[in-house]
Amino acid sequence: GAVVSQHPSWVICKSGTSVKIECRSLDFQATTMFWYRQFPKQSLMLMATSNEGSKATYEQGVEKDKFLINHASLTLSTLTVTSAHPEDSSFYICSALGARRYEQYFGPGTRLTVT
Amino acid sequence: RKEVEQDPGPFNVPEGATVAFNCTYSNSASQSFFWYRQDCRKEPKLLMSVYSSGNEDGRFTAQLNRASQYISLLIRDSKLSDSATYLCVVNFMNTGNQFYFGTGTSLTVIP
Repeated sequence: GAVVSQHPSWVICKSGTSVKIECRSLDFQATTMFWYRQFPKQSLMLMATSNEGSKATYEQGVEKDKFLINHASLTLSTLTVTSAHPEDSSFYICSALGARRYEQYFGPGTRLTVT
Repeated sequence: RKEVEQDPGPFNVPEGATVAFNCTYSNSASQSFFWYRQDCRKEPKLLMSVYSSGNEDGRFTAQLNRASQYISLLIRDSKLSDSATYLCVVNFMNTGNQFYFGTGTSLTVIP
């Protein structure tokens, strides 16, 4: 099956710093990737849809200037959490659409803790 | 109203039991339906797609009822390793490719 990686898998940072998370499709090209956030005991919440070569589409309530998304190639999308605060601590998961564009393949997630 | 609704459970069942989860969706234009499994602190993994005619994969059976707008997942002969959260996911492409997740149903299979 399709493989998606994320890096880093776990990061702790100080309040006010920025953190970049990478999402890569390893064995297929993904023109569309999604970024989700999941708080404990809650469902995945879509943050934004990342399309290769164009601007990301953000969900309502997600600040595009705080969560910068770049999808510069068909295998890589990045999410940068700028000026992170403790309330940004969460599990961030990316996914990529495969050739059959109704199936998502998820990365292993990045656990962000902001102190 | 939420796009996708699931009973959060938890469901605690003994090994070997049969358990069923239901999920309802609000958008009648929804096109694709899936069940994902998510283990604690891990990413979701696709369990199975759900087709109109219903489909089976080993101990797992998924069904779709478009008229009533619900999908179901049946697990027979539960194993300890089936303990996880099961997520119902609905996809439609009215305005872009959109996926909506249910909050998940927690299953614990007890020895």
